[in-house]
Amino acid sequence: QQQVKQSPQSLIVQKGGISIINCAYENTAFDYFPWYQQFPGKGPALLIAIRPDVSEKKEGRFTISFNKSAKQFSLHIMDSQPGDSATYFCAASSGSRLTFGEGTQLTVNP
Amino acid sequence: KAGVTQTPRYLIKTRGQQVTLSCSPISGHRSVSWYQQTPGQGLQFLFEYFSETQRNKGNFPGRFSGRQFSNSRSEMNVSTLELGDSALYLCASSWTEGPYEQYFGPGTRLTVT
Repeated sequence: QQQVKQSPQSLIVQKGGISIINCAYENTAFDYFPWYQQFPGKGPALLIAIRPDVSEKKEGRFTISFNKSAKQFSLHIMDSQPGDSATYFCAASSGSRLTFGEGTQLTVNP
Repeated sequence: KAGVTQTPRYLIKTRGQQVTLSCSPISGHRSVSWYQQTPGQGLQFLFEYFSETQRNKGNFPGRFSGRQFSNSRSEMNVSTLELGDSALYLCASSWTEGPYEQYFGPGTRLTVT
């Protein structure tokens, strides 16, 4: 019940396209849902986060869509750029403990 | 404002030894959490400290321990190292405990031989 399922495992997108990564959770006690971006050799960097009382949050080219009834949330990266090529992790928490998805390796081709 | 810093960045140890990793949180942050990242298990929560007290603990054996000092700096210790402890150990800080933004450091890459 503590798991967060993330898909796809890998994603290849052309420059300018939309990248979509999906996550699903079971634990209804989760009340905070962040997304992290990680480059090789670096720690995860917080991208954007949402709380369950909001269905969508947008920051620049990054948008989180949240469906509380389906217990699913997704990250949309608009106008994807080669510099966006990285591993993306969704996470969920109730309290300070983050439970992470398995990660999605995004490659944006020029 | 400086980010989360972790020392050392790389470490090579032998099975059976012990190791201590250090984390300095973002100035003003009082909560520090530790995570282990491996290719097989992904990112897993180790423990969280707030105001020098362990608030939460993940499913790791007692060989993994930590502490937090009055200036919010934190250390984690792994005793009797095993090959499977080879991983990237990440520290994250937050301004307080609870579901708030956590900012990660660059990690310490531990290799056990």
